[in-house]
Amino acid sequence: DVKVTQSSRYLVKRTGEKVFLECVQDMDHENMFWYRQDPGLGLRLIYFSYDVKMKEKGDIPEGYSVSREKKERFSLILESASTNQTSMYLCASSFPIAGGSADTQYFGPGTRLTVL
Amino acid sequence: AQTVTQSQPEMSVQEAETVTLSCTYDTSENNYYLFWYKQPPSRQMILVIRQEAYKQQNATENRFSVNFQKAAKSFSLKISDSQLGDTAMYFCAFMKTWDNYGQNFVFGPGTRLSVLP
Repeated sequence: DVKVTQSSRYLVKRTGEKVFLECVQDMDHENMFWYRQDPGLGLRLIYFSYDVKMKEKGDIPEGYSVSREKKERFSLILESASTNQTSMYLCASSFPIAGGSADTQYFGPGTRLTVL
Repeated sequence: AQTVTQSQPEMSVQEAETVTLSCTYDTSENNYYLFWYKQPPSRQMILVIRQEAYKQQNATENRFSVNFQKAAKSFSLKISDSQLGDTAMYFCAFMKTWDNYGQNFVFGPGTRLSVLP
């Protein structure tokens, strides 16, 4: 079974702090994703990565950055946390099917971040 | 751009009964995948069922089945013999084929399903 883990289930930070959320997958997946989940809005893509050191912006990248130094690990960074970044953050990974089409995404348990 | 709509924010069903969750989507693509994901309270989101648009046959996974109507752009999920463990938030999702990295995975807002004893 695919296993995607996230460093924290719950996190409380103060405004202006630098926050690191880490995600690790054990299935040698090329693709990794960071989503933000808010009630009534579903999941919105923040950033994704398709290879080590490769990253692309998603739909809502403002206020976030990412790092992928190793294939299995994808980090989300909030450079200066703000209260509007209070949310549930979900990491996911997927394995591109031969031919260039990526399919099912596998999710981590999520990190509920509260910024005070 | 693709959009996914789930018109039922919340639903409830009695244990052992059948419930159908609605999902509609908007796309100009002809080839794509559709998914239903389940997120139990405080637990990991997991894939329930997956449908490829070129397949006319509706996907089934045990008690879960879909009614895929391509022309109507509808993709509903039917849960038969509902169990307490089916209580969860359910997300409908869309991905076009040849989405190289899966970056255009589009999720609906979710339907919160409660199974009542």
